[in-house]
Amino acid sequence: NAGVTQTPKFRILKIGQSMTLQCTQDMNHNYMYWYRQDPGMGLKLIYYSVGAGITDKGEVPNGYNVSRSTTEDFPLRLELAAPSQTSVYFCASRTTVNTEAFFGQGTRLTVV
Amino acid sequence: AQTVTQSQPEMSVQEAETVTLSCTYDTSESNYYLFWYKQPPSRQMILVIRQEAYKQQNATENRFSVNFQKAAKSFSLKISDSQLGDTAMYFCAFIFQGGSEKLVFGKGTKLTVNP
Repeated sequence: NAGVTQTPKFRILKIGQSMTLQCTQDMNHNYMYWYRQDPGMGLKLIYYSVGAGITDKGEVPNGYNVSRSTTEDFPLRLELAAPSQTSVYFCASRTTVNTEAFFGQGTRLTVV
Repeated sequence: AQTVTQSQPEMSVQEAETVTLSCTYDTSESNYYLFWYKQPPSRQMILVIRQEAYKQQNATENRFSVNFQKAAKSFSLKISDSQLGDTAMYFCAFIFQGGSEKLVFGKGTKLTVNP
């Protein structure tokens, strides 16, 4: 039972480069989320999706894009990476509102 | 907008003692869910306990229990018989049923259990 899988686990980007953080879940969950966690801070919501084809902005969406073409996948795209995007990124998924959110292991991204 | 506030950035407790972590939230909704998540140094997010707002009874899970005060919008976590493995960041989280489905987190409390 894989749960929520994020790739890569670590990545170093140069300023201005682009990359996609992958997130896949095998639990047939409708809801998926992307968060970033800065050092010593809580989780800030970047984007979320309530189902395939539907996405919406969270509190810190600038500099990011997402897509949800299938139930399983919810990739996060960084365009023109900036040092301010250095963070740990978490993907999560859940079913109905009264169940817990399952998290991936996180991706540590450093932009230099 | 829903907000979650954890007013204690750091706390420490001696092994085997009891500690309470505070959480308050702000919402105009009446039907919602609250969660406590634990994040050990491994970075993995682990659900500790959840509370449905429509339930008056406080949730318990082994050594973990909550004090849910709906009118005061307070949701504290009590850890009894603290163990070294409880050392972690603890996050309070909120979601309201039938709404935007955003899962909102507080900034966290870093708990250290000392031997």
